[in-house]
Amino acid sequence: GEDVEQSLFLSVREGDSSVINCTYTDSSSTYLYWYKQEPGAGLQLLTYIFSNMDMKQDQRLTVLLNKKDKHLSLRIADTQTGDSAIYFCAESSTPISGGYNKLIFGAGTRLAVHP
Amino acid sequence: DAGVTQSPTHLIKTRGQQVTLRCSPKSGHDTVSWYQQALGQGPQFIFQYYEEEERQRGNFPDRFSGHQFPNYSSELNVNALLLGDSALYLCASSIRGFGSRQQYFGPGTRLTVT
Repeated sequence: GEDVEQSLFLSVREGDSSVINCTYTDSSSTYLYWYKQEPGAGLQLLTYIFSNMDMKQDQRLTVLLNKKDKHLSLRIADTQTGDSAIYFCAESSTPISGGYNKLIFGAGTRLAVHP
Repeated sequence: DAGVTQSPTHLIKTRGQQVTLRCSPKSGHDTVSWYQQALGQGPQFIFQYYEEEERQRGNFPDRFSGHQFPNYSSELNVNALLLGDSALYLCASSIRGFGSRQQYFGPGTRLTVT
């Protein structure tokens, strides 16, 4: 079946790096995503990675994918108070040729950044 | 360029009533998906519309139905509301087809059933 799991809470000091982890079960996943949700708001797409990639870097964000262990991580460098939010990992098994991309989400990791 | 918009922002309904939520996709997007996010949980996929037809459906009862219009906007209807339907309902839009895998979410409609 399809399942995505995340740790529920992470607390870091401002300026440090944050690492949020996620595991998934669907071996046919083709895309994996990280979304950010601030209080009372919708979801903001941060980044996504194709399943044949090991790493993707986008400014302060680094995504690492271990397909063998079905493990995904998001590293935020130089974490700021504005990064405090809930971070959701999601997977999709959209065919490479295109199609309908249903997202399966984890329960979210609440990141708290303190001075 | 307007992003995904949803209306209303908040809604309070009584158990047994019916509700309609609305979504306008991001400009250039042709596919609309709906998700239900209960408090403290991740979003759960309800269904997805493309070319005015339901293309995929999650594990939700028939009380949940939808529609997509020729201008790609969409409605989510929920009949016979239950207390457990209280949640944030999120609409996401995307482009079907090769090369685009990004779903953009609206701010959501918070539904409270009393």
